[in-house]
Amino acid sequence: DTEVTQTPKHLVMGMTNKKSLKCEQHMGHRAMYWYKQKAKKPPELMFVYSYEKLSINESVPSRFSPECPNSSLLNLHLHALQPEDSALYLCASSQDNRGGNQPQHFGDGTRLSIL
Amino acid sequence: AQSVTQPDIHITVSEGASLELRCNYSYGATPYLFWYVQSPGQGLQLLLKYFSGDTLVQGIKGFEAEFKRSQSSFNLRKPSVHWSDAAEYFCAVVGNNDMRFGAGTRLTVKP
Repeated sequence: DTEVTQTPKHLVMGMTNKKSLKCEQHMGHRAMYWYKQKAKKPPELMFVYSYEKLSINESVPSRFSPECPNSSLLNLHLHALQPEDSALYLCASSQDNRGGNQPQHFGDGTRLSIL
Repeated sequence: AQSVTQPDIHITVSEGASLELRCNYSYGATPYLFWYVQSPGQGLQLLLKYFSGDTLVQGIKGFEAEFKRSQSSFNLRKPSVHWSDAAEYFCAVVGNNDMRFGAGTRLTVKP
């Protein structure tokens, strides 16, 4: 079991659907991250939230919309996705991201398939 | 920007044999280095980390890694591999407050 919980574990959606991925941690961490991981590839950073504010957006298409309602929760809203967006979406958290020396703790991910 | 290279895409070792996974980093200052392991269908689990101090760091599951500044390396080692160690291993470096992963090394363990 991980300390970062992601729901759902699997999601299948059509290109016109709207859905959301959820991530929750109760470790008191103030930095949270979204990564995208394609098969047999390393995770690619999408977004970073630091103290509930978006600090890094790695030029992610606007069909992905992150939200951090509070320090424990991180959402990723999905709309009008493309088949190439099918991937494992990983959430991570760390104590903060101001020093660089804080390890990130990962959830088990949401496996997303776009039909 | 920082980067990490893992030269070996796939390694096969026999159960009980020793293991070394290679990692080379590129970063102008002292890096923060990590090794993560990912089993199929799961997220990444932190094995160990290096920030400063002793260049030989111990991690979970019997793994260790040695930081060598002169070689820009942070290789992961285990003296005796177990079948449950079969997984994907990622080396990562943090600089400028964001983490960059290497391409990963897939470990297969033969009985």
